[in-house]
Amino acid sequence: QSALTQPASVSGSPGQSITISCTGTSSDVGGYRLVSWYQQHPGKVPKLIIYEGTKRPSGVSDRFSGSKSDNTASLTISGLQAEDEADYYCCSYISTGGLLFGGGTTLTVL
Amino acid sequence: QVQLVQSGAELKKSGASVKVSCEASGFNFIDYFLHWVRQAPGQGLEWMGWINLNSGDSKYAQSFRGRVTLTLDTSISTAYMELSRLTSDDTATYYCARPWAVSTPVRGMDVWGQGTTVTVAS
Repeated sequence: QSALTQPASVSGSPGQSITISCTGTSSDVGGYRLVSWYQQHPGKVPKLIIYEGTKRPSGVSDRFSGSKSDNTASLTISGLQAEDEADYYCCSYISTGGLLFGGGTTLTVL
Repeated sequence: QVQLVQSGAELKKSGASVKVSCEASGFNFIDYFLHWVRQAPGQGLEWMGWINLNSGDSKYAQSFRGRVTLTLDTSISTAYMELSRLTSDDTATYYCARPWAVSTPVRGMDVWGQGTTVTVAS
């Protein structure tokens, strides 16, 4: 099964908001409220920032928010900061069982 | 504290197998599932499979079916991932990761091992 579709890169200036999309099908993103998002800085381990589509783990900034419409999940980062520059991955449960990651999006803070 | 500690880097030849361990501490091992995720150099995350740390039941990604085996030793709170018939395409960092929620694997992974680099030489 092919990876969920994410833009390869997005960019924004400090203080701005950006949105990263994650497009799948009704057999994954669209069929379940089970999309999670991960942030990964270079050379570091991934960090969970959103689970079940819209929920933030304790300790994650409220500048991160998640949403979903039909077969597309989205991650929005508001009030961009230099420390947000990282790779971001979505991940969804799939109907055949198991998980599927997106291809990843590199966020550049200008 | 809650942590997953993985075994060290491996260098293997094409056609060989590799077995990576993931030792858990700071939580009740059998309450959780454990995922294995890999990342090739400069590439994205790829889910390989999960194992129920209580029953030992596992689920594998279709792309790895027949080549990957997940096992565990509850007596030492350790899970293992074995990948066979290695090729250069298997050169990657392999992670174990624990879901934040007990008894279900699908709600997000909040504890990650440090990663194990596997290099496959032809």
